[in-house]
Amino acid sequence: NAGVTQTPKFQVLKTGQSMTLQCAQDMNHEYMSWYRQDPGMGLRLIHYSVGAGITDQGEVPNGYNVSRSTTEDFPLRLLSAAPSQTSVYFCASSYSTAPSTDTQYFGPGTRLTVL
Amino acid sequence: AQSVAQPEDQVNVAEGNPLTVKCTYSVSGNPYLFWYVQYPNRGLQFLLKYITGDNLVKGSYGFEAEFNKSQTSFHLKKPSALVSDSALYFCAVRDSNNAGNMLTFGGGTRLMVKP
Repeated sequence: NAGVTQTPKFQVLKTGQSMTLQCAQDMNHEYMSWYRQDPGMGLRLIHYSVGAGITDQGEVPNGYNVSRSTTEDFPLRLLSAAPSQTSVYFCASSYSTAPSTDTQYFGPGTRLTVL
Repeated sequence: AQSVAQPEDQVNVAEGNPLTVKCTYSVSGNPYLFWYVQYPNRGLQFLLKYITGDNLVKGSYGFEAEFNKSQTSFHLKKPSALVSDSALYFCAVRDSNNAGNMLTFGGGTRLMVKP
């Protein structure tokens, strides 16, 4: 198993540009989520999905869109990039939301810089 | 609402000495508690978690954590630190009243183990 994969690893955008961060998992996990990591603030939840066709907002959803058309993929779209979105983005997945199987596994991250 | 605090930005310890990384939490229901480790330029790796039962939880790489309900704490410990343990450690909590799998992370504690 490749686990959770993310592309690209690095990206530089200009203010106002749009892009999609890709996330895929091959573990047949139902739950997937996107976090951003900023210094001293830990990880903050952007959006999450409890299954194909179902998404919901997390703590910091503004400026981001998600969709979940398949179990495997959970792309994150930046509609109009802003410098405040400069961050490291992590995708994570878990088998389910039940306490015994809710351990989240993280991808390697995408480092995004918005100029 | 759920929250977690890691009061120390950095912990310094000599190799071979015991280490403790502190975490306190706040939830309305029962807590599900997690520790993750992040090595430079990598994603988060799961170390251990507490759901219920024995207050002392054993995890990967010789780490353990002690759940203390009265002090609302979940401190990470290791009897003998290694230089290779140097990394960024995150505590996370999920409230049992939270129907989804939304984790709230602390700000992280950098562990520095010196030879």
